[in-house]
Amino acid sequence: QKEVEQNSGPLSVPEGAIASLNCTYSDRGSQSFFWYRQYSGKSPELIMSIYSNGDKEDGRFTAQLNKASQYVSLLIRDSQPSDSATYLCAVAAYNFNKFYFGSGTKLNVKP
Amino acid sequence: DGGITQSPKYLFRKEGQNVTLSCEQNLNHDAMYWYRQDPGQGLRLIYYSQIVNDFQKGDIAEGYSVSREKKESFPLTVTSAQKNPTAFYLCASSITPLTGVSYEQYFGPGTRLTVT
Repeated sequence: QKEVEQNSGPLSVPEGAIASLNCTYSDRGSQSFFWYRQYSGKSPELIMSIYSNGDKEDGRFTAQLNKASQYVSLLIRDSQPSDSATYLCAVAAYNFNKFYFGSGTKLNVKP
Repeated sequence: DGGITQSPKYLFRKEGQNVTLSCEQNLNHDAMYWYRQDPGQGLRLIYYSQIVNDFQKGDIAEGYSVSREKKESFPLTVTSAQKNPTAFYLCASSITPLTGVSYEQYFGPGTRLTVT
C-alpha cells in the first residue's frame, strides 16, 4: 500500500473554474501536510502547508485537511493556464521531517 | 539571495563510473535531503541529514553515498553499484523539526543524470 495516493489525472478544467486536487494518506500519525507545484522539467515549488483540521487559504489556493478521513485536498480558484502543472502532495511522518510524496496529479487549465 | 544550488544541471556518464552531484544551501538550514524522481513518479528519499557529520539512509539508499562535512553542503555520489542511475535528482533543505511538527522542505533546481 502506498503511503500517499493521488489521482494521476490529467485533470482538465476551463480557465476561471475551480480545480480540486485530492490526496489520501495511510499513516494516521501524520501531522504535517504540504502541496507542491512542479512544472515539467523543473523542481517542486511549495504552495501550501497545513497542520490542523479545516481550511487554510492563501490567495487563490485553499488547502483542506481532514485527519479523521486521512484526506487532504487543494482547491485552486479562478484557474489560469499558468496553473497547468503537476501537483504533488507530501505528508510528513510524526516527529521527523521525512516526507512521503504522492506521484502527483497533472492539471491542465484550458484557455 | 538565499537558496539552494545544485550543479551541474545536466550530467552524462558512462556505465560503471561513479559521479558526484553537488548541493549547496545558504538558508542556514540544519536538515538536508536527497530525492530521486523517475518519470511519472513521486519523489523517493535517498539520504537525509539533520546535522553536520551525521546522516541516515532513506528508502532507496543502495548504490548511493553522501557526506555532510559542512552545514551548507550535502554532496551525493552515485556509485557504479546503483542499478538504474538515470533519473532527476533533487536536493532539499529545511529547518530542524520540532517534536511532532515537520517544516517545509525547499528544493534546489535539480540535476538530470543520464547514464549510458
